Amino acid sequence: QSVLTQPPSASGTPGQTVTISCSGTSTNIGDNYVFWYQQFPGTAPKLLIYRNSQRPSGVPDRFSGSKSGTSASLAISGLRSEDEADFYCAAWDDSLRIVLFGGGTKLTVL
Amino acid sequence: EVQLLESGGGLVQPGGSLRLSCAASGLTFYNHAMNWVRQAPGKGLEWVSGITGNGETTYYADSVKGRFTISRDNPKNTLYLQMNSLRDEDTALYYCAAISGGSGSATFHYYGVDIWGQGTTVTVSS
Repeated sequence: QSVLTQPPSASGTPGQTVTISCSGTSTNIGDNYVFWYQQFPGTAPKLLIYRNSQRPSGVPDRFSGSKSGTSASLAISGLRSEDEADFYCAAWDDSLRIVLFGGGTKLTVL
Repeated sequence: EVQLLESGGGLVQPGGSLRLSCAASGLTFYNHAMNWVRQAPGKGLEWVSGITGNGETTYYADSVKGRFTISRDNPKNTLYLQMNSLRDEDTALYYCAAISGGSGSATFHYYGVDIWGQGTTVTVSS
């Protein structure tokens, strides 16, 4: 069981805004940066958000990240069919001294 | 072009050993902290192990601590994962992954894993 908790699924229609949550504790999200990854079936993950809210070059500004206390969120606005993928949050844990991944959220575009 | 190419996966019996390798190209290898991340069939991502650029500091998930050893050969631009006492639950696709932001311990706190290989499959079964 992942220490970072994500909803297993999320969905929305094209054009909508969808938000995916990631809940942790004071030793991980509460005290460290949060990262978000996008993974399409059969492919390697891709870094989507780093340092809570920063986008790597090439990531559309439809993707945004935020953090408050021991929780973080990924928002996808102007939802498109090609956004359908699995999304994972991650953060360093000061107590365990490891990188933790959330369990992942499967996004479906209806 | 930056590339990470994993090899060494295969079928092994429970209790057996395997050594995974990851050959890096197109990057200054010693400037990157490196990781192994795995994904069991139909499951999510699990971070397995990390190592700093100079190889002096290593980290392990509890699930593999004492059984797996991460190491690197910087002159050969290669990352390794020695896996011993393998269990059924170690069956997964193993990704080699690099962090571009730095090579020290703090890298794991401040930077995401932004370079990924395509993975090598490890199957533990009798």
